[in-house]
This record gives sequence, C-alpha cells and structure tokens, in this order.
Amino acid sequence: QVQLVESGGNAVQPGRSLRLSCEASAFSLRSFAIHWVRQAPGKGLEWVSVISFDGSDKYYSDSVKGRFTISRDNSKNTVYLQMNRVRPEDTAVYYCATHVIDSSQSQIPFGDWGPGTLVTVSS
Amino acid sequence: DTVVTQTPLSLSVTPGQPASISCKSSQSPRHSDGKTYLYWYLQRPGQSPQLLIYEVSNRFSGVPNRFSGSGSGTDFTLKISRVEAEDVGLYYCMQTIETPPGFTFGPGTRVDIK
Repeated sequence: QVQLVESGGNAVQPGRSLRLSCEASAFSLRSFAIHWVRQAPGKGLEWVSVISFDGSDKYYSDSVKGRFTISRDNSKNTVYLQMNRVRPEDTAVYYCATHVIDSSQSQIPFGDWGPGTLVTVSS
Repeated sequence: DTVVTQTPLSLSVTPGQPASISCKSSQSPRHSDGKTYLYWYLQRPGQSPQLLIYEVSNRFSGVPNRFSGSGSGTDFTLKISRVEAEDVGLYYCMQTIETPPGFTFGPGTRVDIK
C-alpha cells in the first residue's frame, strides 16, 4: 500500500497564500498521477486538482481554478498545492491521493490516501 | 455541471442484514472509450476515505466480497450482503467527467449499526 503524507496545513487569513506538500514514504511518486481532494468540516468530499505523473497535465475544479496551482518535483518525491487568494470556504482537510491505471487498463482514482492536513482560513 | 445524488442519505442496519445505496447522476459516467467511470468509497469515522469499488463493479484490493457494485446508464448501486460493525461510516459514490477532466462526488450516505 502506498503511504502518503500531507503537510503545510495551517491557519491563514483570507487573501493570503499557503503551500501544501504531499510526500511519499518508501516508494517513488513519479509513477503516479496525484490528486488533491478536500473535505470541509462536517461536509463531503470535493475534488480539487490532479497532476499527471510527469507534471505535463494539470486540471482543477472550478472552485479553485485561477487561485490554486498544482505542481510536482519528482526528484524530491513531492507534489505541491499552492493556494493563493484563499477564502473562508477553502477551510477544509486537504488530502492527497493516488491515481493509477492498473494492468487491465482500469482507471483507479483515489486508490491510496494520506491522512490529510487541515487548512483554516479565517480573519 | 454534473450532479451526483445518493439515496438514502442515512441508513441504520442490523448486523448481518443487507444494505443498499443508490447513486444517480445527471450525466452518464460512460466515456467515449466505452468504459463507465463510477466508483464507491468508504470513509470510516476519523479516517481517510478508502476505495471500495472501481469502474462500477470491480472490488479494489483487499475489499471483502460482501461489497458489490452494479448499475448502468445513470443509476448505480452499492450493496453490502451482510453488514458488519466495521462497515460503519460514510459511503460516497464518485464519477469522473470526461471533458473537461474532473471528478464529482455524491453527498455521501451515512451507515450506522442498529
């Protein structure tokens, strides 16, 4: 099982920036597309963004497009989520999760998850 | 925008009894490659979500065979043949969007034990 760990969550004021990191332990992330998914307190899951294994493709939800940027540094085995111009509604636990294509060419999004990191946006 | 709904939103089940959750989408998760990208996840209390079922009916690695998925078109179902105490939690269906690429979760169904 893939072990992912998120970090960088913190309390931040509206309009400020924050960068989240997703690292893998004991294996290489370079083979995986990686998603960010968030969960506001007491709410459901919301997909945020995904980056392909080599960083060439990136996609965002409408709610974060233009404010958040996903990137990766495979030499550091880390995927990032740069959060700019944050809003109170960005308050959530942010999870990173893998996306793989198995040997049968089945798409498997969010197969492995990290424990999450909490971002609180408040003045 | 694609909207995914689930019914019921809450379910209380006696251990050993079956349970069923319905997932309906405003847009079919069948993509141009002919595959249907509909998934089920379980989030146990205090834990990260975990994948149960991928592409409608395939159990993910390590998932007990009491879980099964079915459906087609815009209507899908997750069934638990005999609910156990460890099955308590929030169940989410999710579909992928082909163009532009995206992923939409349902609101979740809370399952608890009577």
